[in-house]
Amino acid sequence: GDSVTQMEGPVTLSEEAFLTINCTYTATGYPSLFWYVQYPGEGLQLLLKATKADDKGSNKGFEATYRKETTSFHLEKGSVQVSDSAVYFCALKVAGGYNKLIFGAGTRLAVHP
Amino acid sequence: EPEVTQTPSHQVTQMGQEVILRCVPISNHLYFYWYRQILGQKVEFLVSFYNNEISEKSEIFDDQFSVERPDGSNFTLKIRSTKLEDSAMYFCASVSGQGNYGYTFGSGTRLTVV
Repeated sequence: GDSVTQMEGPVTLSEEAFLTINCTYTATGYPSLFWYVQYPGEGLQLLLKATKADDKGSNKGFEATYRKETTSFHLEKGSVQVSDSAVYFCALKVAGGYNKLIFGAGTRLAVHP
Repeated sequence: EPEVTQTPSHQVTQMGQEVILRCVPISNHLYFYWYRQILGQKVEFLVSFYNNEISEKSEIFDDQFSVERPDGSNFTLKIRSTKLEDSAMYFCASVSGQGNYGYTFGSGTRLTVV
C-alpha cells in the first residue's frame, strides 16, 4: 500500500548547520507530497508542498524537490536556527481527488546555539 | 489567515464515558478529516467527510466512533464509550477542494482517558 518512510531522529544540529531530512514514498500514480512541522505543544502546520514531479516546494528557507525517479522528497535548509527545533512530518496524498494524507513517522530536530 | 478551530484543547474523561470533540473548519472548505496522534507516535488517519457523508474511514474508526456536521459550520467527532487506548491528540483538518491542496490542521484536542 501507499506509505511514507522518514529518517529516524532525533537529528541534533548546531545553529547555522545544513539540514537534510530524508523522505521516500511508495504510491501508485503521481501523489502530491507535503512537509508538515509540529512545534512543541502545537498542531501541524503546512511547511511546503509539491504536486507534480520536479516541482520544488519552498517556505521559510526550507526546500524540497519532488523526485519521481527516486520516489523522494527530502527536506533541506541551508542554515538552521534554534527556532526550527520541532518535529517534521513528510506526507503524501494519493493521486485523484482530496484523499487522506498518509504521514511518515516524523523526525525530531533539535538545534543548539 | 483562516484557521481550523478545535475545542476543547484538553479533555479528561473517565473510561466508558462519551466524548464529543468539536471542530470549526475553514468556512469555504468542502472536505473534512479527523486524525489522531498517540503521544510520540505517527499521525494516523481516522475518517474523511464530504457532502455530508463519510467518504473513507480507517480500521481504527470502528462502531465506537461517529462524525457529524450538525449545522453547516461545526464538524464533530464522537467517541461513544472511551477506552484508555483512545488517549491521544485528535486533529481536525479541512481543504477547500478547489484545486488547492493546502490541507489545514487545527491545533488539536488532547484527550486523556482515565
